[in-house]
Amino acid sequence: GDSVTQMEGPVTLSEEAFLTINCTYTATGYPSLFWYVQYPGEGLQLLLKATKADDKGSNKGFEATYRKETTSFHLEKGSVQVSDSAVYFCALSEKGGSYIPTFGRGTSLIVHP
Amino acid sequence: KAGVTQTPRYLIKTRGQQVTLSCSPISGHRSVSWYQQTPGQGLQFLFEYFSETQRNKGNFPGRFSGRQFSNSRSEMNVSTLELGDSALYLCASSAGIEQYFGPGTRLTVT
Repeated sequence: GDSVTQMEGPVTLSEEAFLTINCTYTATGYPSLFWYVQYPGEGLQLLLKATKADDKGSNKGFEATYRKETTSFHLEKGSVQVSDSAVYFCALSEKGGSYIPTFGRGTSLIVHP
Repeated sequence: KAGVTQTPRYLIKTRGQQVTLSCSPISGHRSVSWYQQTPGQGLQFLFEYFSETQRNKGNFPGRFSGRQFSNSRSEMNVSTLELGDSALYLCASSAGIEQYFGPGTRLTVT
């Protein structure tokens, strides 16, 4: 079945540092890929998505590129802020059917001033 | 558009009791999914409703049930609560491949 593997957290960075959160996936077809973010005390919010190979999703300074050859969708940001502290979830959704996503376990990011 | 709303936000129940949680999706969204989030198990899919019919189901015991009304609002019910049911219950609505989550209901079972 489908699965998503994320790097274990927490990831601890200083403000303005470069961020990478690794995500790899296993899927039977050609899924759409997502990053969701969960701030403390809130539900998940869609951060960015990519629907086909080589697509780059971007939002709020975050980027991720759909790499079919390495089955990866790593999240990057050039300069993190304290306000980026949250839990980040990588997810995939197979095309067709009900689009119920498969989520990774989540990676906690802590940014210090 | 108003976002997904969930009520109540916090709930404390005793073992053996039952509980009903409510979710109002984004206007026009016909799909509503429920998830359980715990530190140990992460985010686990409970079930999805579409046009008042359960379309997908996760691997949870029959104590967990749900329904959807004609206005797409959804409820989930947990009967005979156990300590392990303590979790954040998230509802998400969808009109396509993206899911829009509510803030969740924090259930504590004592």
